[in-house]
Amino acid sequence: EVQLEESGGGLVQPGGSLRLSCIGSGFTFSDYEMNWVRQAPGKGLEWVSFITTSGPTISYADSVRGRFTISRDNARNSLYLQMNSLRAEDTAVYYCAREPHSGVYFDYWGQGALVTVSS
Amino acid sequence: EIVLAQSPGTLSLSPGERATLSCRASQSVSSTYLAWYQQKPGQAPRLLIYGTSTRATGIPDRFSGSGSGTDFTLTISRLEPEDFAVYYCQQFGTSPRVYTFGQGTKLEIK
Repeated sequence: EVQLEESGGGLVQPGGSLRLSCIGSGFTFSDYEMNWVRQAPGKGLEWVSFITTSGPTISYADSVRGRFTISRDNARNSLYLQMNSLRAEDTAVYYCAREPHSGVYFDYWGQGALVTVSS
Repeated sequence: EIVLAQSPGTLSLSPGERATLSCRASQSVSSTYLAWYQQKPGQAPRLLIYGTSTRATGIPDRFSGSGSGTDFTLTISRLEPEDFAVYYCQQFGTSPRVYTFGQGTKLEIK
């Protein structure tokens, strides 16, 4: 069974940093491109970042480019999101999501990690 | 950047009725790049449809997708109680690489 589990969420002050992790199981993690998608409280879904299987190609949404860094460690079946210079508008549930071989959509999602940016 | 507009914002129907949800793109979208998700309160989104009309694994055949160009539709033929949720469409853009979601349609019990 494919599973994705995020961790590392919490409360952080504006301007602070936080690192999210996502561990994948039930599939060969290194074979799949991965993404982060977020959802502000009561709002819709917003794609955040993408990384290829071994990490040479990375993309970011304009809203986070220059502040967030996506990375992965295939030996640990892990995906990361380093978030710096956090703002109140970054408050959201952050989901890691798998991208299948055959398309550009998200076939499996984790349960999410809540990040709250507040003083 | 392509913007997706979903309508209606809220749809009130009864179990057994047919639901038609619309997703309109600001520019033409490849049918390969259009997907639909269902999200229930407190849960992660679940993939329903990809490539405009292909149901994901385990999705009942009462869910169907159609459309082309700028107009796409998710149809639920006969609503079951578990279908009441929020539905999002999503498209992919190549230059630059970006994934865009619609704002969602809330399907509620009438």
